[in-house]
Amino acid sequence: ELKVEQNPLFLSMQEGKNYTIYCNYSTTSDRLYWYRQDPGKSLESLFVLLSNGAVKQEGRLMASLDTKARLSTLHITAAVHDLSATYFCAVDLLRMDSNYQLIWGAGTKLIIKP
Amino acid sequence: ETGVTQTPRHLVMGMTNKKSLKCEQHLGHNAMYWYKQSAKKPLELMFVYSLEERVENNSVPSRFSPECPNSSHLFLHLHTLQPEDSALYLCASSRIPPRAAGTDTQYFGPGTRLTVL
Repeated sequence: ELKVEQNPLFLSMQEGKNYTIYCNYSTTSDRLYWYRQDPGKSLESLFVLLSNGAVKQEGRLMASLDTKARLSTLHITAAVHDLSATYFCAVDLLRMDSNYQLIWGAGTKLIIKP
Repeated sequence: ETGVTQTPRHLVMGMTNKKSLKCEQHLGHNAMYWYKQSAKKPLELMFVYSLEERVENNSVPSRFSPECPNSSHLFLHLHTLQPEDSALYLCASSRIPPRAAGTDTQYFGPGTRLTVL
């Protein structure tokens, strides 16, 4: 059974600071997503990471994937208030019926204070 | 309308009621999904439809009944629900169905906040 663990689950930080959210998963997978959810709103895709060593950046967010360590990181640089949201990682699981399914982490609620 | 829309946005129902949730995607995608999002729990995949054929049913109780009449519309019919079914129900779609080469980016609707009394 594939398990996806995010930490921390809650993070309060000051504007201008840097921080990293971690996503660990328990079995082999070559595809990982990061999504963002604003309060009361739906999920928005941020990144898809498709191979070992993949790195993607958008603005102040940078995501990376280490498939050997089964670890992805989402790094926030010089945080601004607009980045306050809940961030989810999700990992591909190949099922016995040959279909794929996303297994989701519990989410990291990020609050950025002025 | 653009993206993925869901109606209603909020629903309160008694345990003996029958109601339906509606989802419509305007993206020309070939797969649609129902998820349940409960507080402090990971998203739970309920159903997947690929080209209008159900390909996934993750041991969901029979009081939830999906329907996909065409590739743009997805319904979730609800009857005799329990209070523990209260949650945010999210619909999503993807261009490529989740088989062969892995999943594709999913685009989510705003969700229906369901409260069962």
